[in-house]
Amino acid sequence: GAVVSQHPSWVICKSGTSVKIECRSLDFQATTMFWYRQFPKQSLMLMATSNEGSKATYEQGVEKDKFLINHASLTLSTLTVTSAHPEDSSFYICSADAGTELQPQHFGDGTRLSIL
Amino acid sequence: GQQLNQSPQSMFIQEGEDVSMNCTSSSIFNTWLWYKQDPGEGPVLLIALYKAGELTSNGRLTAQFGITRKDSFLNISASIPSDVGIYFCAGQPLQYNFNKFYFGSGTKLNVKP
Repeated sequence: GAVVSQHPSWVICKSGTSVKIECRSLDFQATTMFWYRQFPKQSLMLMATSNEGSKATYEQGVEKDKFLINHASLTLSTLTVTSAHPEDSSFYICSADAGTELQPQHFGDGTRLSIL
Repeated sequence: GQQLNQSPQSMFIQEGEDVSMNCTSSSIFNTWLWYKQDPGEGPVLLIALYKAGELTSNGRLTAQFGITRKDSFLNISASIPSDVGIYFCAGQPLQYNFNKFYFGSGTKLNVKP
């Protein structure tokens, strides 16, 4: 079946570093992908909608200059957390719009980001 | 973003018991989805609902899309230890024609053997 690959699965870095997370659809094309953030014991909060070939659409309260999204091809979206700080530590999950009723979205396995 | 109210927040039940959880929204949704998430992993789709009133089963799981299109419930019958996890509802608001979903706050299910 369709698979979404998210990389890296885990990253630890120093405060002030920028971190890039990749989300790839492996066997289907996704014009739309989504980025979620999940703090411990909380729900998945939609951050932004990533659109291939155009600017991402950010949810209210999400800083677009802080969380840079690039969707340059039909199989890859990237999220860059710029100048990350400890409060940005979270579980980041991407999903790809599969466009089918059986599987509306395919989720990646998430990236655990820890900022020291 | 959209506000989805999911309840209960957590449940502690005995193996073999039935479980029910629900989600409500102040706005109308096109689609309701139910997911299960294990720690450190992405959510896994359990059931998808596309029409108001639709009742769908997946093994011991049954979910319904409310008539008002503002709510949905998930039932798990004869629970087993591997049902332990966090269950999320997700809804697609009416104004979107693509698969953009907002998630409920989750129900943590604990099953005692």
